[in-house]
Amino acid sequence: EVQLVESGGGLVQPGRSLKLSCAASGFTFSNYYMAWVRQAPKKGLEWVATISTSGSRTYYPDSVKGRFTISRDNAKSSLYLQMNSLKSEDTATYYCASPIRTDYWGQGVMVTVSS
Amino acid sequence: DIQMTQSPSFLSASVGDRVTINCKASQNINRYLNWYQQKLGEAPKLLIYNANSLQTGIPSRFSGSGSGTDFTLTISSLQPEDVATYFCLQHNSWPYTFGAGTKLELK
Repeated sequence: EVQLVESGGGLVQPGRSLKLSCAASGFTFSNYYMAWVRQAPKKGLEWVATISTSGSRTYYPDSVKGRFTISRDNAKSSLYLQMNSLKSEDTATYYCASPIRTDYWGQGVMVTVSS
Repeated sequence: DIQMTQSPSFLSASVGDRVTINCKASQNINRYLNWYQQKLGEAPKLLIYNANSLQTGIPSRFSGSGSGTDFTLTISSLQPEDVATYFCLQHNSWPYTFGAGTKLELK
């Protein structure tokens, strides 16, 4: 059974940092591009980062470029999202996923940016 | 960035109805368009990939069509369990972008 389990969310002040983790199991993690997708409360979906199978290529939209860093450890079947200089508009549920051809999603982890 | 305009935003239909949801891309995305279903409190679920390919395990009442800039998700006979919000996603070029969603409710 495929499982993606996110952790590391919580309440953080604006301007501070937070690192999300995602533990994968039930599939060959190293064979898949992975992503972080977020959803602000009662809002739509936003794709915030993608990483290639080896980790050599990463992609970010302008909204998070320069502040967020996606990384992976294939030996540990783990995905990460380092979030720096957080803003109130980063408040969202963050999903670890490989959702393009496969339908792999975590349950989501909430990040709240507020003073 | 490619903008995805999804319509309608809200849809009310009866059990057994044929339902259609549309997505229009701001430029050509070939067939790189996926459809997702999201129920309250859950992660999205992939229904259709590459415009018209049914994901494994998804009921055949769901279908997708289109290419280029105009795409449609069709539910041939609405069932109560289809109440959800539906999103399109273009994965033709980075940054990948979602439509704003269509909330589907039972009449």
